Amino acid sequence: KAGVTQTPRYLIKTRGQQVTLSCSPISGHRSVSWYQQTPGQGLQFLFEYFSETQRNKGNFPGRFSGRQFSNSRSEMNVSTLELGDSALYLCASSPGGAGGTEAFFGQGTRLTVV
Amino acid sequence: DAKTTQPTSMDCAEGRAANLPCNHSTISGNEYVYWYRQIHSQGPQYIIHGLKNNETNEMASLIITEDRKSSTLILPHATLRDTAVYYCIVRVENSGYALNFGKGTSLLVTP
Repeated sequence: KAGVTQTPRYLIKTRGQQVTLSCSPISGHRSVSWYQQTPGQGLQFLFEYFSETQRNKGNFPGRFSGRQFSNSRSEMNVSTLELGDSALYLCASSPGGAGGTEAFFGQGTRLTVV
Repeated sequence: DAKTTQPTSMDCAEGRAANLPCNHSTISGNEYVYWYRQIHSQGPQYIIHGLKNNETNEMASLIITEDRKSSTLILPHATLRDTAVYYCIVRVENSGYALNFGKGTSLLVTP
């Protein structure tokens, strides 16, 4: 069974640009959540999507957005990049609904903003 | 979700048991205790979870106090590959996945 796949693994962008990251969950999983990890703030929750609807949202500015497609694949977008957006972005998938108990994480996308 | 408190760092000799404590004194009756770990530069990995009974799986054991205000994750025979940051998280079962990871405990297993 394939795990959670995040693409790309590494990305370098310039301040002011926008970026889109992709996450393919484990087959059959309907929940995808996104996290940002930085040395200073640790792992912080961004948002969660379940069956194409945003179910939970963390405390991040509106420059951070996401969506989920009918096949459960998810993308997150960051517009007007700032230097402080440099981080490891992780996505996690879980069955969701009534049966989910654990989240499976991908290897992350390392974003560097210069 | 209830807040958790963990020691910043711990050491353990290879082959010995690693006991990682977690305080969650404000835990609610419907909140489970979850443990994840993150090995350097990898995504977090689920270890174990429990409500009030002690739990054991192939990776670890989870001991929850009777009043549920604290718990201990036990790695029975720590190996060098267990060096990681360990996160104790409380969440309501079957709720969304807005996990509050906190700072975790950095466990160093030494030869």
